[in-house]
Amino acid sequence: EIVLTQSPGTLSLSPGERATLSCRASQSVSSSYLAWYQQKPGQAPRLLIYGASSRATGIPDRFSGSGSGTDFTLTISRLEPEDFAVYYCQQYGRSPPTFGQGTKVDIK
Amino acid sequence: EVRLLESGGGLVHPGGSLRLSCAASGFTFSSYAMSWVRQAPGKGLEWVSAISGSGGSTYYADSVKGRFTISRDNSKDTLYLQMNSLRAEDTAVYYCAKDTKGGTLGLFDYWGQGSLVTVSS
Repeated sequence: EIVLTQSPGTLSLSPGERATLSCRASQSVSSSYLAWYQQKPGQAPRLLIYGASSRATGIPDRFSGSGSGTDFTLTISRLEPEDFAVYYCQQYGRSPPTFGQGTKVDIK
Repeated sequence: EVRLLESGGGLVHPGGSLRLSCAASGFTFSSYAMSWVRQAPGKGLEWVSAISGSGGSTYYADSVKGRFTISRDNSKDTLYLQMNSLRAEDTAVYYCAKDTKGGTLGLFDYWGQGSLVTVSS
């Protein structure tokens, strides 16, 4: 199975700052089938990005995704208070679908 | 509005069984694959099982193969997960998740609120 490694484990930033989250795959992710989810405490995950760079319905344009092959990035251009959460990358190009271990973005 | 509502979680002894249900609404249930994804306390997300829209194809993580069975009743818009021979390491919040396609792509655009399963003596 494809192992996804996210870095850093925790990112401490202030509102208004830029957040850059990394996701590295153990094998190439076919057709850029890479997604990003946001999860807040006590809530279910929410789909943010799919196909490495396409925003899901209703997702603000401050969220952007990039990358291909084995290296992917989620960027939040200017952090809003509601963006402090845990972010997971997920590959769905090869079965089984697998998730990274998560990056927590917390308030500095 | 898409809604997924899980039920059936609870406390069970090791070796016991439990059946989770997920009632769906707001979309044509039979047109989409569905999955179960779990999250152990304080841990990350783990895909558990998937079923195609027709119910004709099922898939399992190695960690649950032979112990869990996924099924669906498209006449009732409901997804199920029968869990047998439960172990302590199965303790988690179990989410049902809607796929974006009828075949199992593994991309999840809607999630339920989750159902907690605790396996303990």
